[in-house]
Amino acid sequence: SQQGEEDPQALSIQEGENATMNCSYKTSINNLQWYRQNSGRGLVHLILIRSNEREKHSGRLRVTLDTSKKSSSLLITASRAADTASYFCATDARYIFGTGTRLKVLA
Amino acid sequence: DTAVSQTPKYLVTQMGNDKSIKCEQNLGHDTMYWYKQDSKKFLKIMFSYNNKELIINETVPNRFSPKSPDKAHLNLHINSLELGDSAVYFCASSHRSVGGPGEQYFGPGTRLTVT
Repeated sequence: SQQGEEDPQALSIQEGENATMNCSYKTSINNLQWYRQNSGRGLVHLILIRSNEREKHSGRLRVTLDTSKKSSSLLITASRAADTASYFCATDARYIFGTGTRLKVLA
Repeated sequence: DTAVSQTPKYLVTQMGNDKSIKCEQNLGHDTMYWYKQDSKKFLKIMFSYNNKELIINETVPNRFSPKSPDKAHLNLHINSLELGDSAVYFCASSHRSVGGPGEQYFGPGTRLTVT
């Protein structure tokens, strides 16, 4: 499997609920990044967390990083219909993004 | 004042043809990338250039040849197009830092359809 794999592949929630998605990677990293892709568009950078950080916040986004488990999670709180998109993680070690997590927020 | 632009946005062509996709960034970044996203939405790095020098060249058929005339441009030329080349190709750019690439800015994508 490839570096930077997201889980679950798909997630469907109601507006106002929280959404959590996970990312696993294989090698040592210096940073991990989360991106969002709206249907048919280019990716947009959301947040970058460095290997010496354990948690980072940006608005309704919360990212955690566990380098011992080689995993990261992205939490979107109080989700909105506009959050419907695919979410990808990437690391500096490998650029392969994978298929992302497809999040659908139902109004 | 688009940050990362690609042309064309759509490209429909026949098997065996040669085509090019152009990418330009006006962000002053020193690193540019080409990604391919297939019909299953799997996104994969193809090439990366830093200051006009090739630094990443993943397992890509040699029918694909990137060319970087300067730091702001990275073009992708594809020879003898095949049906399997149909995909969306994204260009991106970033600064290159000691700890690896920083935030990448993506272009809108070029949807290539080979018939």
